[in-house]
Amino acid sequence: DVVMTQSPLSLPVTLGQPASFSCRSSQSLLYSDGDTNLSWYQQRPGQSPRRLIYQVSNRDSGVPDRFSASGSGNDFTLKISRVEAEDVGVYFCMQATHWPYTFGQGTKLEIK
Amino acid sequence: QVQIVQSGAEVKKPGASVKVSCKVSGYTFTNYPIHWVRQAPGQRLEWMGWIHPGNGKTRYSQKFQGRLTVTRDTSASTAYMELSSLRSEDTAFYYCASGPTLGISWGQGTLVTVS
Repeated sequence: DVVMTQSPLSLPVTLGQPASFSCRSSQSLLYSDGDTNLSWYQQRPGQSPRRLIYQVSNRDSGVPDRFSASGSGNDFTLKISRVEAEDVGVYFCMQATHWPYTFGQGTKLEIK
Repeated sequence: QVQIVQSGAEVKKPGASVKVSCKVSGYTFTNYPIHWVRQAPGQRLEWMGWIHPGNGKTRYSQKFQGRLTVTRDTSASTAYMELSSLRSEDTAFYYCASGPTLGISWGQGTLVTVS
């Protein structure tokens, strides 16, 4: 299975400051059709995961534009330009290029 | 508006089976695959398998082969996940997810406790 490794595991950030999340895969996520099936999810305490980003850098409807993402191959990044209180939670990356789909272990964002 | 509602929490003995339902509304049920994902305490999310309600095709993670059965009832717009030979390590929240693109809409989760 493809192993997804996220860092850091915990990210304390001051309100209004930026945050950056890293995700690395054990194999390239570039599919034969040219797509790279890497998504980012937010899971707030007590809630189901919510997709924020799909295919590396496409923001889902309703996701604030302070969220952005980039990357290619094996190395991906999610950024929040200015952290707000509602952003607290765990952020997961997920690959859907190789079966079975796999998730990173998550980065917990907390307010400093 | 896609809405996904799962069945309620379950408590099972080791060796038993559990069946979780996932009712979908807001789009044509047979159009998109329904995926099952679980989250055990302190563990990362784990993709279990999926079913395409249109033709009944399924695909399971090797980890769950032989213990996992995913079915659907198109007349009820509902998918089912059955996990057998339960052990304590199967204690987890079980989620279904569906929609026009992978992972776009999720159910509220079903807690299965094996004890």
